Amino acid sequence: DGGITQSPKYLFRKEGQNVTLSCEQNLNHDAMYWYRQDPGQGLRLIYYSQIVNDFQKGDIAEGYSVSREKKESFPLTVTSAQKNPTAFYLCASSTQITDTQYFGPGTRLTVL
Amino acid sequence: GDSVTQMEGPVTLSEEAFLTINCTYTATGYPSLFWYVQYPGEGLQLLLKATKADDKGSNKGFEATYRKETTSFHLEKGSVQVSDSAVYFCALSDRGFQKLVFGTGTRLLVSP
Repeated sequence: DGGITQSPKYLFRKEGQNVTLSCEQNLNHDAMYWYRQDPGQGLRLIYYSQIVNDFQKGDIAEGYSVSREKKESFPLTVTSAQKNPTAFYLCASSTQITDTQYFGPGTRLTVL
Repeated sequence: GDSVTQMEGPVTLSEEAFLTINCTYTATGYPSLFWYVQYPGEGLQLLLKATKADDKGSNKGFEATYRKETTSFHLEKGSVQVSDSAVYFCALSDRGFQKLVFGTGTRLLVSP
């Protein structure tokens, strides 16, 4: 089945640690995105990538980093510089032709 | 900048009642409009979309019409079921960057 997978589903981090969230897609989509969701709020864009080896900051990129070495993969690192990292993180992808984005199941990150 | 405004929730209905969730938008140009649905603990699923004025998107009994004159994209369903209980997000696409701008979401609770 084609789709987007995110792992892990739940992640716990101690303050001061970096953590990496995985996002993989087998839809052959060119573009990939990372969003953050907080309770009672809409989704906010962290980073996006339209092609391999290229990515751009979204609205709330501070404290996060990404890489796009393969078309299928777009990992997100939450660094210790992110002041309030506890949130639900969603990865999405789309083709270059259509603006419809398809989402993965999400990773819930909790800082202890 | 572009923005999406949704009605506050929760919306509480009895099974078989008529549903309307209001969504209005502000955008330069002519964005695509989307409704996504999120079930507890899951990612977002595309419910329907419309790409130009007067288009009607429909899926699983839900409908929404792209109204350029009122900048609206209200979601409707004639008879809701308990299984429709979820959070519904209205979004628009910034075609230049294919970035999605989301509303804050509306929680729907349907009781038997």
